Amino acid sequence: EVQLVQSGAEVKKPGESLKISCKGSGYSFTSNWIGWVRQMPGKGLEWMGIIFPGDSDTRYSPSFQGQVTFSADRSVSTAYLHWRSLKASDTARYYCARLGTSGWNYWGQGTLVTVSS
Amino acid sequence: SYELTQPPSVSASPGQTARITCSADALPNQYAYWFQQRPGQAPVMIICKDIERPSGIPERFSGSRSGTTVTLTISGVQAEDEADYYCQSADSSGNWVFGGGTKLTVL
Repeated sequence: EVQLVQSGAEVKKPGESLKISCKGSGYSFTSNWIGWVRQMPGKGLEWMGIIFPGDSDTRYSPSFQGQVTFSADRSVSTAYLHWRSLKASDTARYYCARLGTSGWNYWGQGTLVTVSS
Repeated sequence: SYELTQPPSVSASPGQTARITCSADALPNQYAYWFQQRPGQAPVMIICKDIERPSGIPERFSGSRSGTTVTLTISGVQAEDEADYYCQSADSSGNWVFGGGTKLTVL
């Protein structure tokens, strides 16, 4: 069974760094794109970008270019979303998803990130 | 930038048909996908490649396309269908994007 399991909720202060994770199982982790999606409180879904764990090819949506970094560790079948310096406006729930032949058909449960002083 | 436009809200009584549209200039060249998101839950893909229904999705959900507009139709709306619905597609550079989302209210 394909599963994406994300790391737990985080509470951080502005300026701190953070890395959240998305662990894939039940499939060949290096063979499918992983996407990241932001959902700010009470708002819609926003596409952040994608990473191909097989070769770490990464593509960022224009709004998120330079704001976050994607990475992947094939040895532990895990993708990461990293911030160097968090802002209050980064408060949101973040989802990872897997691109299959039919589309983005598997999603993680989401990670809630709260940034507050 | 590439944008997908959805109505903010749609309402229907139980048993009626609800239709949610999604339009964009570049849509004819790329497939569209539809997601359902219930409160507090992760999105679920309910329509792929414009018209296909993934395994496990009820038959009352269907997708269609006409020119630059794709439509999600829910035939025989049920109370459990009350949720937010998002269309998704990609531009010519492979950048994925969501529509703004439509809140379906079951009256």
